Amino acid sequence: NAGVMQNPRHLVRRRGQEARLRCSPMKGHSHVYWYRQLPEEGLKFMVYLQKENIIDESGMPKERFSAEFPKEGPSILRIQQVVRGDSAAYFCASSPRQETQYFGPGTRLLVL
Amino acid sequence: KQEVTQIPAALSVPEGENLVLNCSFTDSAIYNLQWFRQDPGKGLTSLLLIQSSQREQTSGRLNASLDKSSGRSTLYIAASQPGDSATYLCAATRRGGSEKLVFGKGTKLTVNP
Repeated sequence: NAGVMQNPRHLVRRRGQEARLRCSPMKGHSHVYWYRQLPEEGLKFMVYLQKENIIDESGMPKERFSAEFPKEGPSILRIQQVVRGDSAAYFCASSPRQETQYFGPGTRLLVL
Repeated sequence: KQEVTQIPAALSVPEGENLVLNCSFTDSAIYNLQWFRQDPGKGLTSLLLIQSSQREQTSGRLNASLDKSSGRSTLYIAASQPGDSATYLCAATRRGGSEKLVFGKGTKLTVNP
């Protein structure tokens, strides 16, 4: 059973470009969470999704950020018009149901 | 609003020593508390999960305890090894909440050979 997969592992974007981060949960897991870890900061919750539904997006910036978890395919975290402050490690986690969350290796985004 | 604090921020010990990492949380209405390990540039590895109805969990040399009344959890590592060097994070989920984890900033552990 493969773990949570995230790609790309590293992403470099120039200011104003779009960043798309993908997350494939573990097999059988229908709950996906995205977290962001800024340099020298702890992990902060961004959004919680179940298949085709956003359950809690209270940690998501109101502008430029969006997330989806379609019926088929990976979950996508999309950042439009990136700025330098978006540079961070973005982690995805999955769980079957109110249990241990299993984390992916993260995507490290660098905005030049 | 749940806040999670970990003390100390960094800890350096000689190999073989037993040690305790501390985690405190402000909202006692937690659903569970989870301890993770993070190696530099890597993702998070789940170590132990304690449900709110439990007092402790053990896995190998690791033992985690939970005291909701005082808002504290501890991670005990026995006979530390250089391979234990990493950042240890604790995180809580809230009962009735959306299962999101609220993390502390972590304790960076260095075990010297």
